[in-house]
Amino acid sequence: DSGVTQTPKHLITATGQRVTLRCSPRSGDLSVYWYQQSLDQGLQFLIQYYNGEERAKGNILERFSAQQFPDLHSELNLSSLELGDSALYFCASSVGGAGARGETQYFGPGTRLLVL
Amino acid sequence: GQNIDQPTEMTATEGAIVQINCTYQTSGFNGLFWYQQHAGEAPTFLSYNVLDGLEEKGRFSSFLSRSKGYSYLLLKELQMKDSASYLCAVRGLLAGSYQLTFGKGTKLSVIP
Repeated sequence: DSGVTQTPKHLITATGQRVTLRCSPRSGDLSVYWYQQSLDQGLQFLIQYYNGEERAKGNILERFSAQQFPDLHSELNLSSLELGDSALYFCASSVGGAGARGETQYFGPGTRLLVL
Repeated sequence: GQNIDQPTEMTATEGAIVQINCTYQTSGFNGLFWYQQHAGEAPTFLSYNVLDGLEEKGRFSSFLSRSKGYSYLLLKELQMKDSASYLCAVRGLLAGSYQLTFGKGTKLSVIP
């Protein structure tokens, strides 16, 4: 158990809908990262938040957005869902946010999203 | 840009040794990580290298050569539970900050 929690574990929805995924980082970690993992693409970095502020953006679609709250939990919002958005969504956390040497990301159990 | 290559699949026998290679190209190299991921589960951290050489951790070792853009993960005394995907990830500069770029993973099957 990494100490990172994610809810829900599974989500089934229809095209065009909007969903929210939730992540709580490990105690003491200030950074939260969101990743998407599909069968053919591997783990793709979406976005990072550090202590409430957006730190970096990766391959995140405009239909997707995220935020980190004062208690450091984070939410990833996916809207106008398409069949291709079906994937595993992982959240990871780390202590800092600047990629210091030795800083490791620890992953939550993921949310499996199925868009029908 | 970032580019990471690792074999798609490997098979090895229980009790044997297997080496999983990873080659990479990155800007602003700041460390290489190996993660283990069982199907449908979270990636779990195995090892970290930032300087050239070998890091040993029990049955798992990881090697890095920065000049060659090359790393390998060595698994000894293979057990059935080692059947999983092994992800090579490089931390480099991406859009002004240090981020991890993952390879697509090597699916290791351990057979009796």
